[in-house]
Amino acid sequence: GAVVSQHPSWVICKSGTSVKIECRSLDFQATTMFWYRQFPKQSLMLMATSNEGSKATYEQGVEKDKFLINHASLTLSTLTVTSAHPEDSSFYICSAAGILDTEAFFGQGTRLTVV
Amino acid sequence: AQSVTQLGSHVSVSEGALVLLRCNYSSSVPPYLFWYVQYPNQGLQLLLKYTTGATLVKGINGFEAEFKKSETSFHLTKPSAHMSDAAEYFCAVSDGGAQKLVFGQGTRLTINP
Repeated sequence: GAVVSQHPSWVICKSGTSVKIECRSLDFQATTMFWYRQFPKQSLMLMATSNEGSKATYEQGVEKDKFLINHASLTLSTLTVTSAHPEDSSFYICSAAGILDTEAFFGQGTRLTVV
Repeated sequence: AQSVTQLGSHVSVSEGALVLLRCNYSSSVPPYLFWYVQYPNQGLQLLLKYTTGATLVKGINGFEAEFKKSETSFHLTKPSAHMSDAAEYFCAVSDGGAQKLVFGQGTRLTINP
């Protein structure tokens, strides 16, 4: 089956620093990747959609300058949280899909804690 | 806009009892519907999905769900709960394509011994 790998699984960073999260499709070409955020005991909220080689499309209310998304290849997308603050602490999950897929495949998630 | 409502943020059943997790959706187009399970600090695992065809969908771990268009529902069931079923369950509907999803609020399933 299709495998999506996220790295790191968890990260702790100091307030004001930036952190990068990687999302890789290991055995298929992901033309589209999605980034979700999940606060404790809450549901997943879509942050942005990225298509390979194009600028990401951000959902309303998501700061594109704070959450930088790059999808430069068919197997890798990155989310960079810039100038992170404690309120950015959350569980970030990516999903990826090929052009003909009837579902997107999810990564394991990344727990970000900003101290 | 598509939306999903999961009735009951917390469901508790006894081991061996029927599991029923409710999901209603709103969609302006024929939907693709999904159920996912999430264990603590982990990603999502797909239990089952409805795209087209047979309205009763069987998934992994003995779960199944029935798409009822007239009721705009996609409830998840399992005849006999197992302790390992304790987790958070999310219902999701496609939003402009099968790959982009809108999630419900989630239902935490607890299994009592």
